[in-house]
Amino acid sequence: DAKTTQPNSMESNEEEPVHLPCNHSTISGTDYIHWYRQLPSQGPEYVIHGLTSNVNNRMASLAIAEDRKSSTLILHRATLRDAAVYYCILRSTNAGKSTFGDGTTLTVKP
Amino acid sequence: DAGVIQSPRHEVTEMGQEVTLRCKPISGHNSLFWYRQTMMRGLELLIYFNNNVPIDDSGMPEDRFSAKMPNASFSTLKIQPSEPRDSAVYFCASNQGTTGNTIYFGEGSWLTVV
Repeated sequence: DAKTTQPNSMESNEEEPVHLPCNHSTISGTDYIHWYRQLPSQGPEYVIHGLTSNVNNRMASLAIAEDRKSSTLILHRATLRDAAVYYCILRSTNAGKSTFGDGTTLTVKP
Repeated sequence: DAGVIQSPRHEVTEMGQEVTLRCKPISGHNSLFWYRQTMMRGLELLIYFNNNVPIDDSGMPEDRFSAKMPNASFSTLKIQPSEPRDSAVYFCASNQGTTGNTIYFGEGSWLTVV
């Protein structure tokens, strides 16, 4: 599996934008970049994914570097409910399994 | 859709007892994953199935662990005999297809072995 690297933790103030980085320098051409988040006492939930182009949905935006070796999850206005562990993973078109790293623990301060 | 359904949600058992965790994937999904999460090791993939067939079980810790998927709507993860170090949250997840698709997780089975 191609690996991803994320900061262990980040802090944000409520209602401010948050940029969560992820490095995936060994990404292959068939790898999709997925982001999941895990709220306390819950299973991970899907946030967003992309292949090459930037993506937007109701939860967040995903900015993908031109060389695809890094990406950034953008929460436009953080709320207290966004406090969670955010995982960046690669999902290959050639293999079903995905490996989760340690993720980034996001703390949102009121 | 009800999502991925796991049972039991919580189980406390004594060392040496058999534990069976159950999972019903989302209807129509053909891949199923079992993950284990602990503070020390994070989220680990134990095994995954595609079309009811085990594809990769390299994450299964030892022979005490076994997983089956007798049909497309049901899977079990069994630990026999259980040990205190098996205490963890076990997540089942499913997705449709093998290509870059979203993985949907259940709410987990919280296992404590005393």
